[in-house]
Order: sequence, then structure tokens, then C-alpha cells
Amino acid sequence: EVHLGASGGGWVQPGGSLRLSCGASGLIFSDHDMDWVRQAPGKGPEWVGRTRNKPHSYTTQYAASVKGRFSISRDESTNSLLLQMHSLKIEDTAVYYCVVWIAGVAFWGQGSLVTVSS
Amino acid sequence: DIVMTQTPLSSRVTLGQPASMSCRSSQSLVGGDGDTYLSWVHQRPGQPPRVLIYKVSNRLSGVPDRFSGSGAGTDFTLKISRVEAEDVGIYYCMQATESLSFGGGTRVEIK
Repeated sequence: EVHLGASGGGWVQPGGSLRLSCGASGLIFSDHDMDWVRQAPGKGPEWVGRTRNKPHSYTTQYAASVKGRFSISRDESTNSLLLQMHSLKIEDTAVYYCVVWIAGVAFWGQGSLVTVSS
Repeated sequence: DIVMTQTPLSSRVTLGQPASMSCRSSQSLVGGDGDTYLSWVHQRPGQPPRVLIYKVSNRLSGVPDRFSGSGAGTDFTLKISRVEAEDVGIYYCMQATESLSFGGGTRVEIK
């Protein structure tokens, strides 16, 4: 069974940095595309970015709203998806979910709350 | 960017009665491989979204057969044949043909 566990959320001031981690189990980590999706309070989900699978060289794509500030990577030693966030803005406040794509199906993790506030 | 538009915004349904919602994309969701990456997800308060339907009409294992998806190209529909209490929440259509984007959601409530 696929399991995605998130960690690293918390409170940060505007302009600060934070790193989220999502540990994956029950799958071959390198075989699958993975996304970060966020959901601001009371709003719908918003795609943050993607890392392709290993056959596609783990290439990354980002939403325009985070490009240049956020960076997605993988740690193969711990089967973890990482989201490094810099220059955080108040509007980045959201629950951040990791999502793994398996045969066209999106499996969602539990999410980490990131609060950007002064 | 592909824009997803859902209707209605909300739906109040009597238990045991059907419910239906629509989703329209700003461009065709048929991918280069011929598959259409349109999913329906359900979200209850405080929980992550959960996929019900993927690739337009495929029910995920464990999803009740009262849920069905249909459509093609740019127009898609999710139907619940007989609404149960556990079906309340927000339903989002989600396309993954080109990056990822979501509809605005349809809130389902019980009358």
C-alpha cells in the first residue's frame, strides 16, 4: 500500500525559508512522477510543481506563482520528496500536499501546514 | 494553462437521490499518448483530497459503484446514482494532461 508522510511545516515570517519533506513507502520511488499541491485556507487545490521520474531525469516544472522561489528535489537514500521554499509570502500560507502518480492515478499524502505571517 | 470550470457551485441533495456535476476544460484533455487525464477527487473538511475516478471513467479500487464518470475532449460529468451521507464534501475535477489544474469545486450537501 502506498503511504506518503509529510513533515517540516510550521510558522515562518514573510521573506523566510522553509523545507518540506514527504517520505514515500510502498512503491518504487524512482519510477513515479511526483507533485507538490497546496491548498490555501478555504480555497481549492493549486499545483505548485512536479518532479518527473528517473527515466525522465527527475526534471522539474513549477507554477508561475512559485518559480524562482521554490525548488523540488528528491532524496533517493530516504525515498523522500523535498520542497525548499525561499522568499516566502503571506499568500504562500497553505496546506502543502505531496502527490505521487501511479498509472494515471494521483495518490495524496496527509499534508503539512505552512503559515507565513509576521 | 488549462482552465477547468465546474458547475454547479453547490448542490443540496436528498439522501438516496442522484447528483450530477459538470467540468469543462479550456482545451482538449487528450494527451499525446491518447489517454485523457481527467480525474474527480472528493475532499471532506480537514482531509486531503481522495481520487474517486481517473482517466475520465475509471473508478479507483474501493470506490462505490454509485460513482460514475463520463465525457470526452473538454466536457466531463461525475454522477452519484444515490447520494449517501458520507458523500458530502467538495468534489473537484482535476486535469493532468498538461501540468496539473483543478476546477473550482462543487460542494455537495444533504437536504
